[in-house]
Amino acid sequence: QITLKESGPTLVKPTQTLTLTCSFSGFSLSTSGVAVGWIRQPPGKALEWLAVIYWNDDQRYSPSLKSRLTITKDTSKTQVVLTMTNLDPADTATYYCVHKDLVKYSYGIDYWGQGTLVTVSS
Amino acid sequence: QSALTQPPSASGSPGQSVTISCTGTSSDVGGYVYVSWYQQHPGKAPKLIIYEVSKRPSGVPDRFSGSKSGNTASLTVSGLQADDEANYFCSSYAGSNNAGVFGGGTKLTVL
Repeated sequence: QITLKESGPTLVKPTQTLTLTCSFSGFSLSTSGVAVGWIRQPPGKALEWLAVIYWNDDQRYSPSLKSRLTITKDTSKTQVVLTMTNLDPADTATYYCVHKDLVKYSYGIDYWGQGTLVTVSS
Repeated sequence: QSALTQPPSASGSPGQSVTISCTGTSSDVGGYVYVSWYQQHPGKAPKLIIYEVSKRPSGVPDRFSGSKSGNTASLTVSGLQADDEANYFCSSYAGSNNAGVFGGGTKLTVL
C-alpha cells in the first residue's frame, strides 16, 4: 500500500526558507517510471505544480518558481525534500506530496499525501 | 491565474449529464495526450478520475468520461449523483521544462 506524508513547519516568516519532507512507503523511487512531486493549493484556490523528481533523478520545476525551488531525493531513506526560498504571504497554502507512475497512469497522479498547511506570516 | 482555463462552476440535476471544459494551448493540452482530471471533495485530497485524456483508473465509474479536441479537453459526468458534487481540476503535461499545469477548477453542483 502506497502512502505519503508531508512534514515541516506550519508557520514561516516572510523571506525565510521553507523545507518540506515527504516520507513515503509502499514503493521505491528507484523503480523505473516512478516519480514524486509537490503540489500546493492556496486556501480556496487552484492546485499548482511546484516540482517533481523522477526515478532517474531527473527534476522538473514550475517555470515561474524555478529560481526558488529545489527538490531532492534520498532513495535509501524513502524521502523527498522540497526547499523553497524567500517565502512570501502569497505562498500560504496546503502543500501536497504526490506519487506518479508513468507506466501505470502516465502523468496522472495516483496517490496524494494528506497535505500540510503552511502559513507565511510575520 | 491558472495555466489552463476552466469554468468556475457547473451544475445539473440528478440523472443529467454535465460537461466541464479545460482550455490550454498547443504547448500543453493541444500538444500531448497527457491530460488528467481530478475530483476533490471539501477538505480532501484530489482523486484521479481520468488520465491520458480518456482513460479511467480501476474503480472509477464509467459515468465519468474524457475527451479532447484541439487545445480543449472535456470531462463529462453522466447520470449525475449527489456524491458527484465536488471540485474538478484538469491537469496537463506541459513539456520537458515544466512540472505540469493545472486548471483553476470547476465547482460542480448537483441541484
